[in-house]
Amino acid sequence: AQSVTQLGSHVSVSEGALVLLRCNYSSSVPPYLFWYVQYPNQGLQLLLKYTSAATLVKGINGFEAEFKKSETSFHLTKPSAHMSDAAEYFCAVSDRGNQFYFGTGTSLTVIP
Amino acid sequence: DADVTQTPRNRITKTGKRIMLECSQTKGHDRMYWYRQDPGLGLRLIYYSFDVKDINKGEISDGYSVSRQAQAKFSLSLESAIPNQTALYFCATSEDSDSNQPQHFGDGTRLSIL
Repeated sequence: AQSVTQLGSHVSVSEGALVLLRCNYSSSVPPYLFWYVQYPNQGLQLLLKYTSAATLVKGINGFEAEFKKSETSFHLTKPSAHMSDAAEYFCAVSDRGNQFYFGTGTSLTVIP
Repeated sequence: DADVTQTPRNRITKTGKRIMLECSQTKGHDRMYWYRQDPGLGLRLIYYSFDVKDINKGEISDGYSVSRQAQAKFSLSLESAIPNQTALYFCATSEDSDSNQPQHFGDGTRLSIL
C-alpha cells in the first residue's frame, strides 16, 4: 500500500529564509512522487515531480526536492522564501497503476 | 479558458437533497478523478474513471455516485446529501499512460450541506 506523511501541518518562515517542507512516503514499488501547491480558492498546481531519473528535481518558482530512497523522503525546499509562496503544499505518491495518494498538506506562512 | 472546469463553484443546500457536481475538461485526457478535501485530511479519492466504460470506487465512495457521460465529462452525485459531506470537491484529469504523469485539477466546488 502507498501512503504519504507530511510532517508539520503549519510552517512559518521569514521572508528570505529557507523553506523546508517534509514528506515521507511508503510504497511497495519504486514510486513516482509529486509536489503540488494550492493557492486560496484554486485547485492544485504541479510544482515538480520525481520519476526515477535525477534524484534532485527542480520545479517552478525556485522550488526543488530531493528523492532519498534510504530515508523514503522527498522533502521540498526553496533557498529564499517570498511572500507569494504562502500557500498550501501537498506531497503525493503514485502507485504506477491507478491512483494517487496525497499527504494531509502543509500550510506555509511567510512573515514579512 | 480553464482546462478543467467545475460547476458550480459554490453550492449551499439542505440535508436530503440530491446534488450533482459537474466536471468537464478540454485536455483530451482519458482519466478523470473526483476528490474531496477536508481540513487536516488532505485529498481523498471518491471515484475514478479511466475511460467512458470504466468506473472505479476510491477510498470514500459511500454516499456518492458518478457518471462518465463522455471522455470530457465526469459528474459526481450525492443522492441524499448529509452534513458530513460538506467539503471542497475537486475534479482532476491525467493522461492515459504510466502514472508518472501528474494530475490536472479544476478550481473546486465548495459544497455546504445544512
